[in-house]
Amino acid sequence: GAVVSQHPSWVICKSGTSVKIECRSLDFQATTMFWYRQFPKQSLMLMATSNEGSKATYEQGVEKDKFLINHASLTLSTLTVTSAHPEDSSFYICSARDPLGRTMNTEAFFGQGTRLTVV
Amino acid sequence: RKEVEQDPGPFNVPEGATVAFNCTYSNSASQSFFWYRQDCRKEPKLLMSVYSSGNEDGRFTAQLNRASQYISLLIRDSKLSDSATYLCVVIRGGANNLFFGTGTRLTVIP
Repeated sequence: GAVVSQHPSWVICKSGTSVKIECRSLDFQATTMFWYRQFPKQSLMLMATSNEGSKATYEQGVEKDKFLINHASLTLSTLTVTSAHPEDSSFYICSARDPLGRTMNTEAFFGQGTRLTVV
Repeated sequence: RKEVEQDPGPFNVPEGATVAFNCTYSNSASQSFFWYRQDCRKEPKLLMSVYSSGNEDGRFTAQLNRASQYISLLIRDSKLSDSATYLCVVIRGGANNLFFGTGTRLTVIP
């Protein structure tokens, strides 16, 4: 079963509104979660690293005031796309690793992704 | 230089063919290596971890070459269902150091 749950799986919103996406780790506590964006036929692009209890680290070119990240608990990180525009339409995916995994070779788990369409 | 580099393809191969992908990483301190598979409009899913001794899972073989800093994925007897994008993932150490390749797109043709 899924160990990282992302919600909603898809959303359509009007231009100018804000959309919140949730990412939950189900079987473990994740002090760090990653947010990615993927445009059609392109690779995953890391947007930001979400750190529990502190500010997120944003990748170059990603506007922190537009993509608000909150990681208030060890099992939940949220990404809010503020004042969304059609160019923000994309597939957003979160990811987390279990820092207390059985071995160092613990893979990353992905949420199911959120397909955002801004009209 | 990118942390992880992958040939984006596309690779178009006939059913039954053998196909191999390589992925190079730039940091010798990288510790863990994985191949993920991503189907269209879906999240990436773990295909296999890559161990130093190499590992095999059915038609899939993964190998790690630390000296040359690359990992490979070999798919034998390709099936139509193997069509997907294959992502190379490298973890340098600690939860914060997770790096993705751009993905290699494979299409298996009947």
